[in-house]
Amino acid sequence: AQSVTQPDIHITVSEGASLELRCNYSYGATPYLFWYVQSPGQGLQLLLKYFSGDTLVQGIKGFEAEFKRSQSSFNLRKPSVHWSDAAEYFCAVLPISGTYKYIFGTGTRLKVLA
Amino acid sequence: AAGVIQSPRHLIKEKRETATLKCYPIPRHDTVYWYQQGPGQDPQFLISFYEKMQSDKGSIPDRFSAQQFSDYHSELNMSSLELGDSALYFCASRETGEPGNTIYFGEGSWLTVV
Repeated sequence: AQSVTQPDIHITVSEGASLELRCNYSYGATPYLFWYVQSPGQGLQLLLKYFSGDTLVQGIKGFEAEFKRSQSSFNLRKPSVHWSDAAEYFCAVLPISGTYKYIFGTGTRLKVLA
Repeated sequence: AAGVIQSPRHLIKEKRETATLKCYPIPRHDTVYWYQQGPGQDPQFLISFYEKMQSDKGSIPDRFSAQQFSDYHSELNMSSLELGDSALYFCASRETGEPGNTIYFGEGSWLTVV
């Protein structure tokens, strides 16, 4: 079955530490891939996206993500986390199947320790 | 840059009442999506419209209906409201042909059913 998995429900890191949030997908063909961030009570903000080309994509706020076809993964990374990065992060996929319906992972809540 | 505009931002209704949420997509965007995000949940796809026609349908209850108008704005109508309808409702829009098929989310409309 088609699915998007974010294995980590909660992650806690210290400010200044590196961060990696995991995302795995299960689709027949490589879908379009996205990461969104949601601060409490706020909407979804696009961090970055991948649809072709270089498998390492750069996003806003110092985030990057790497698409690995062999692992069906699209992990989000940041070298040094800031306290303002505390939020919920959603991985989303858009299957290349003709129906433009985004599917979201269950989200990873990031807590940053001062 | 113009973003997706949703109104109202907050709405409180009683059980069995009716609510209407409005969405104004980014100019030139021809596709509108509605998502529902319950407390602590990931966004769930409800329905989408392309060029004023329903293009896809997700987990939208029969008590809900939606449409897209000639100016591309969309309205989500919810009747016989239940406590479980309390959620954050997102509208998103997309421009067909944009590389990566990114959808852009509004800030959401908070619906509280009491």
